[in-house]
Amino acid sequence: EVQLLESGGGLVQPGGSLRLSCAASGFTFSSYAMSWVRQAPGKGLEWVSAITGSGGSTYYAASVKGRFTISRDNSKNTLYLQMNSLRAEDTAVYYCASEYEGEVAGYFDYWGQGTLVTVSS
Amino acid sequence: QSVLTQPPSASGTPGQRVTISCSGSSSNIGSNYVYWYQQLPGTAPKLLIYRSNQRPSGVPDRFSGSKSGTSASLAISGLRSEDEADYYCAAWDDSLSGVVFGGGTKLTVL
Repeated sequence: EVQLLESGGGLVQPGGSLRLSCAASGFTFSSYAMSWVRQAPGKGLEWVSAITGSGGSTYYAASVKGRFTISRDNSKNTLYLQMNSLRAEDTAVYYCASEYEGEVAGYFDYWGQGTLVTVSS
Repeated sequence: QSVLTQPPSASGTPGQRVTISCSGSSSNIGSNYVYWYQQLPGTAPKLLIYRSNQRPSGVPDRFSGSKSGTSASLAISGLRSEDEADYYCAAWDDSLSGVVFGGGTKLTVL
């Protein structure tokens, strides 16, 4: 059974940093691209960042480029999102999602339960 | 403003057929597959339609997807109360080099 378990969310002050993790199990992690998708309270889904299965290519939404860094450790079956210079508008539930294939397409067949990040003073 | 445009709301009565539209451009829907997600209240999104018109196993055949040019649609026939949820379209955007979502459509079953 495929499982994606996010952790690392919490309350952080504006300008602060946080690192999210997503532990994957039940599939060959290194074969699949992974993404982070967020949802602000009462709002829609927003794609944040993606990484190919090998980790060789990364992609970012304009709203987070230069502040967030996506990475993965295929030996640990874990996806990460390093978030720096956090702003109030980054407050959201962050989901990790697996792509059906090794490349990024928006074809998210599995999702985690989400972790809440709150940016506030 | 979302790159993909969806109506904010839709509604229907049990048994009816409803459609939800998703409008994009040549750099996203016009040149890539469309994906649809269903999000029930308080839960993570779930894949409903992949590659524009394919259903994952376990998704009822009441749900169908189509694409034409730079627009896509999700149709739900035989509407049921449990279909009340938010629905999102998504696609890869060649110009942005990223995934884009629609703003979401809240479906109400009257």
